[in-house]
Amino acid sequence: DAGVIQSPRHEVTEMGQEVTLRCKPISGHDYLFWYRQTMMRGLELLIYFNNNVPIDDSGMPEDRFSAKMPNASFSTLKIQPSEPRDSAVYFCASSLLAAAGRKETQYFGPGTRLLVL
Amino acid sequence: QQQVKQSPQSLIVQKGGISIINCAYENTAFDYFPWYQQFPGKGPALLIAIRPDVSEKKEGRFTISFNKSAKQFSLHIMDSQPGDSATYFCAASMAGGTSYGKLTFGQGTILTVHP
Repeated sequence: DAGVIQSPRHEVTEMGQEVTLRCKPISGHDYLFWYRQTMMRGLELLIYFNNNVPIDDSGMPEDRFSAKMPNASFSTLKIQPSEPRDSAVYFCASSLLAAAGRKETQYFGPGTRLLVL
Repeated sequence: QQQVKQSPQSLIVQKGGISIINCAYENTAFDYFPWYQQFPGKGPALLIAIRPDVSEKKEGRFTISFNKSAKQFSLHIMDSQPGDSATYFCAASMAGGTSYGKLTFGQGTILTVHP
């Protein structure tokens, strides 16, 4: 398996621009998570989905952030408009929580390093 | 109550020494405690995990010690190697409720092992 795939790996944009981050989870996984990592705040959970349905978006910082999961193999995190304080590494992770034998392991993608100028 | 507090923030150890990272939690509903390892430029990856029905779990040079009454758990890295230099995160999750599937992460510890 190729693991969790994220694109782009690096993004540099100007303040006010729209940014879209993409994630392809591991095939068959039923949970998908979006995290943001900064030196100041560590690893923050932004939102997570179960079977494509958003379960908890309490970590989404503002209305400028939105996430979708139109199908089991694709999710997007959008920032519109972007601000310099959004600069961070954004990770997508997926897991499989089967009914028989919980497997809570989250598999992280390589991350998208976002710089907003 | 959802927080997991991790210490120290950074740790420097000599090659061959023991690295110890500690975590504490408040929510007694947590029932799964993993440690993740992150190398620069990479995403975190599961290192080792424990459930509260045991007090210790060992995998190679890595050991988790768990103290349910104190609501604390720790990661011990024996014979630390320069290749262990990374950021380590403790985490916790619970079996049911609205937070099912969600990991609560500690703030991370940057470990540096000097040769």
